[in-house]
Amino acid sequence: EPEVTQTPSHQVTQMGQEVILRCVPISNHLYFYWYRQILGQKVEFLVSFYNNEISEKSEIFDDQFSVERPDGSNFTLKIRSTKLEDSAMYFCASSDQEGAGTDTQYFGPGTRLTVL
Amino acid sequence: QKEVEQNSGPLSVPEGAIASLNCTYSDRVSQSFFWYRQYSGKSPELIMSIYSNGDKEDGRFTAQLNKASQYVSLLIRDSQPSDSATYLCAVKSWGKLQFGAGTQVVVTP
Repeated sequence: EPEVTQTPSHQVTQMGQEVILRCVPISNHLYFYWYRQILGQKVEFLVSFYNNEISEKSEIFDDQFSVERPDGSNFTLKIRSTKLEDSAMYFCASSDQEGAGTDTQYFGPGTRLTVL
Repeated sequence: QKEVEQNSGPLSVPEGAIASLNCTYSDRVSQSFFWYRQYSGKSPELIMSIYSNGDKEDGRFTAQLNKASQYVSLLIRDSQPSDSATYLCAVKSWGKLQFGAGTQVVVTP
């Protein structure tokens, strides 16, 4: 069964360093998303991406964050200068449609980011 | 601020009993509603989606939607120890999923 994959599973970085989190969405999907979950808190939307453009972003997704689809399979989230409060699980998700009834988002296993 | 509210639990359910989970949402334009299951340290796993008012059944799970009351629920019949997890209600608005904080379910043998 097709699934969303993410690498690495765990990333440890120093405050102020840049990190890139990688995702391979399900192959025929067109809509891509990043969410994050701080330990013990809700899953929060960060950004959605379609047709090589950001469709929507939350107030969390500030200038420190960027997304890219560098080739036909990967979807990346870059955090330019990490802060302690960026420590969280980051989930990539994808869906093949946007309309109600066909818009299920499937989640990858997540990358645990720890900022020291 | 659009909100999705769930009781945090834990909801303790004897094995074989029915677990009943509730969710309310504030954004009236929402059209798509989802229940995800999340085990500790893992990613959300889709259980069910529902789009129309009424009930939708899938195996031991039944989702109910009432758009007028802005209310979604999930019933888990014949609860098993493997159902012990946090259940996340998610509401789709303008392309993004908005999640509730989740209800922790503990199925006791």
